[in-house]
Amino acid sequence: GQQVMQIPQYQHVQEGEDFTTYCNSSTTLSNIQWYKQRPGGHPVFLIQLVKSGEVKKQKRLTFQFGEAKKNSSLHITATQTTDVGTYFCAGRNYGGSQGNLIFGKGTKLSVKP
Amino acid sequence: GAVVSQHPSWVICKSGTSVKIECRSLDFQATTMFWYRQFPKQSLMLMATSNEGSKATYEQGVEKDKFLINHASLTLSTLTVTSAHPEDSSFYICSAQEVWDTDTQYFGPGTRLTVL
Repeated sequence: GQQVMQIPQYQHVQEGEDFTTYCNSSTTLSNIQWYKQRPGGHPVFLIQLVKSGEVKKQKRLTFQFGEAKKNSSLHITATQTTDVGTYFCAGRNYGGSQGNLIFGKGTKLSVKP
Repeated sequence: GAVVSQHPSWVICKSGTSVKIECRSLDFQATTMFWYRQFPKQSLMLMATSNEGSKATYEQGVEKDKFLINHASLTLSTLTVTSAHPEDSSFYICSAQEVWDTDTQYFGPGTRLTVL
């Protein structure tokens, strides 16, 4: 079945360093979503990408959707301690009225002040 | 704005009993709500999409007779775990989409279910 792989599983950075997490799907996606979950908290929806090659920015966060719509990345510039948490991608495949939404296992980011 | 609440926040029940979890959008109308489960230290898993006034759409592998979803109003969706067993113990999270903004989901705080 469809799989969404996310790497790395863990990332430890010094405050001010950049951070990137990658998401790869075994099948072409209709869209991809990104979420952030703080330790002990619930997920927060960050963004949805739909178009091939799409790039969207939210302040220090840059989201990309690959040309083939099978991979995506989230890049954080100059990390801050408030960026700590687990970042999940979720890809929706084609098919049916909705298409299944498959989550990656997440990348856990820790930031050392 | 855009607050989603869940009740209860945690529940412990005996095997074989049914448990109802409520998801409410407090300050907006949500035509669509989503139900997820999350096992400890694992990713979210979408269980079903709930549309107001119609039957829920379940993801593959999710038993619709076991996880009953009702979305009777624009501010309330309920998930009932019927005949719960220990393997149903998990963290259940709902999210809701505003009528006018289907690009954003707002998550509830989650419900921790423990089945003894």
